[in-house]
Amino acid sequence: GDSVTQTEGLVTLTEGLPVMLNCTYQTIYSNPFLFWYVQHLNESPRLLLKSFTDNKRTEHQGFHATLHKSSSSFHLQKSSAQLSDSALYYCAPASSGSWQLIFGSGTQLTVMP
Amino acid sequence: EAAVTQSPRNKVAVTGGKVTLSCNQTNNHNNMYWYRQDTGHGLRLIHYSYGAGSTEKGDIPDGYKASRPSQENFSLILELATPSQTSVYFCASGDSAETLYFGSGTRLTVL
Repeated sequence: GDSVTQTEGLVTLTEGLPVMLNCTYQTIYSNPFLFWYVQHLNESPRLLLKSFTDNKRTEHQGFHATLHKSSSSFHLQKSSAQLSDSALYYCAPASSGSWQLIFGSGTQLTVMP
Repeated sequence: EAAVTQSPRNKVAVTGGKVTLSCNQTNNHNNMYWYRQDTGHGLRLIHYSYGAGSTEKGDIPDGYKASRPSQENFSLILELATPSQTSVYFCASGDSAETLYFGSGTRLTVL
């Protein structure tokens, strides 16, 4: 079945340093859609960005990611971390046929001053 | 902004009791989902629905039933609650590009 592997557990960064959260996926579908969701403390998950197009950079709120189907990856990046980026981040692939998003276990990002 | 409302926000149940979690969406989305969230496991799909009258099993359906009586409402039912079902439950609805809009969650404790 479909699966996703994210950067393990907890990532702690100092404010101003770059952010890179890894995401690789496995799916039977040749044209998957990929999503990053973010969940701040005591809030519900919300969409951060999504991509359907191979090798095209997608950006939103300072974050960016590029879907690389050749390596089944969709890494999340930001050039300079902010304190407000502290949150739980989920990568999720889906197929247009079933639209069942398969979430990974999530990566907790903590940005320190 | 899409609106998904869950009730109750918090629930304490006894082992063996019946629990019903409710979800209402005003977005006219066809697809609705129930997830549970546990530390170390992330979000796991329990049941989902493509429209009124339909329910489908997700990745972890055992011990749960779902009901979609209308476009707006999607319920999750625990007929015989167990302590292992203590978790935070999220309902979500999805649009045509399958952006999911999550409710605020229900924190369920089964004693």
